[in-house]
Amino acid sequence: QQQVKQSPQSLIVQKGGISIINCAYENTAFDYFPWYQQFPGKGPALLIAIRPDVSEKKEGRFTISFNKSAKQFSLHIMDSQPGDSATYFCAASRRGNQFYFGTGTSLTVIP
Amino acid sequence: EAQVTQNPRYLITVTGKKLTVTCSQNMNHEYMSWYRQDPGLGLRQIYYSMNVEVTDKGDVPEGYKVSRKEKRNFPLILESPSPNQTSLYFCASSPGQRIQYFGAGTRLSVL
Repeated sequence: QQQVKQSPQSLIVQKGGISIINCAYENTAFDYFPWYQQFPGKGPALLIAIRPDVSEKKEGRFTISFNKSAKQFSLHIMDSQPGDSATYFCAASRRGNQFYFGTGTSLTVIP
Repeated sequence: EAQVTQNPRYLITVTGKKLTVTCSQNMNHEYMSWYRQDPGLGLRQIYYSMNVEVTDKGDVPEGYKVSRKEKRNFPLILESPSPNQTSLYFCASSPGQRIQYFGAGTRLSVL
């Protein structure tokens, strides 16, 4: 079964808008939650990551919000740009370098 | 240039014909992993390695083998490929702290 559930599957946002992608997990042993960005024909690239001891992490226009009690985390992309159009994956990891990925969200930012 | 190199990038083969996908990293990373990416399923970890001669099963190891005889190389072996192994494969390496760097991918078709 899917260890990390991601939604929505696809998202269309106007330039300058806020893109929000949500993920949920069940296993409380997970202690590292990264987001990856993937452009067509390329491998995923780490965008931003959070550990469960903080509720929010911000890097530029990208913010992770983390709700430990609800076992949910989300990616917010502020002031979305056409260059942000890509597929985004959330993931969860526990000790030992074992990773579980969400099913991906295809983001399209319309100029 | 720091990179993870996979070869070949594209491969078409027939059922049952043994194949190897190579992965090499030049960053002296201890951790390496193999993933497969399928539409609607996201990335799923096949095998991972925490050091030379140390490998462990990921989420979907059936039908795959790996070896880690040298730190820089982590080949993925399909002893008897089947059509359900048609997929996009990614190798990743990590210096620790769970930060992963992905290769460009290998698209495999098994006929």
